[in-house]
Amino acid sequence: AQKVTQAQTEISVVEKEDVTLDCVYETRDTTYYLFWYKQPPSGELVFLIRRNSFDEQNEISGRYSWNFQKSTSSFNFTITASQVVDSAVYFCALPSSRSEKLVFGKGTKLTVNP
Amino acid sequence: DAGITQSPRHKVTETGTPVTLRCHQTENHRYMYWYRQDPGHGLRLIHYSYGVKDTDKGEVSDGYSVSRSKTEDFLLTLESATSSQTSVYFCAISIAPGLAGGNQETQYFGPGTRLLVL
Repeated sequence: AQKVTQAQTEISVVEKEDVTLDCVYETRDTTYYLFWYKQPPSGELVFLIRRNSFDEQNEISGRYSWNFQKSTSSFNFTITASQVVDSAVYFCALPSSRSEKLVFGKGTKLTVNP
Repeated sequence: DAGITQSPRHKVTETGTPVTLRCHQTENHRYMYWYRQDPGHGLRLIHYSYGVKDTDKGEVSDGYSVSRSKTEDFLLTLESATSSQTSVYFCAISIAPGLAGGNQETQYFGPGTRLLVL
């Protein structure tokens, strides 16, 4: 069955530091998608990225970048020059192959201090 | 903005009371979902719908029922609320072209409903 592990429960950094959030997944599917979501203190869930397992190129969007490595089943998320507004809980997710649900990791709480 | 609204946003109710949460979308997406979020459990799927009157159970469906009589509305009902159903409830839609959809597509979430069952 699909499984997503986010081993870092909480991370605290000082503004302008770079920070990497780890995501390790398990799946028997040969093709699949991976997702990252952000949940700021206000509580809403914000979609960040969807990646296809065929595409192992790193993705960069402003200060955000994602490193997908199929060989290690990892899909890590890096924030460069972190800002206080990046403080949130970040979730990695993988579609279940047996049902319509998204399998979420437990999340990593990132605190960026001024 | 995926055009998803949830109502009510906050609700306090008593054990044994029926409760209905509403999810409304404005863009005719086929797939809609109800999740609950709890500390230590993360997000778990309750029910989902893949069309009008087409619904199916998720991983934590006991004690919940759903209905979808119109494309734009997906209702979640707690027939007799219990304290274990105190949670934050999120509705989501799956955006895809045409009639496609499902969990391989991006799910966009509504703002959430905080439910407290006393």
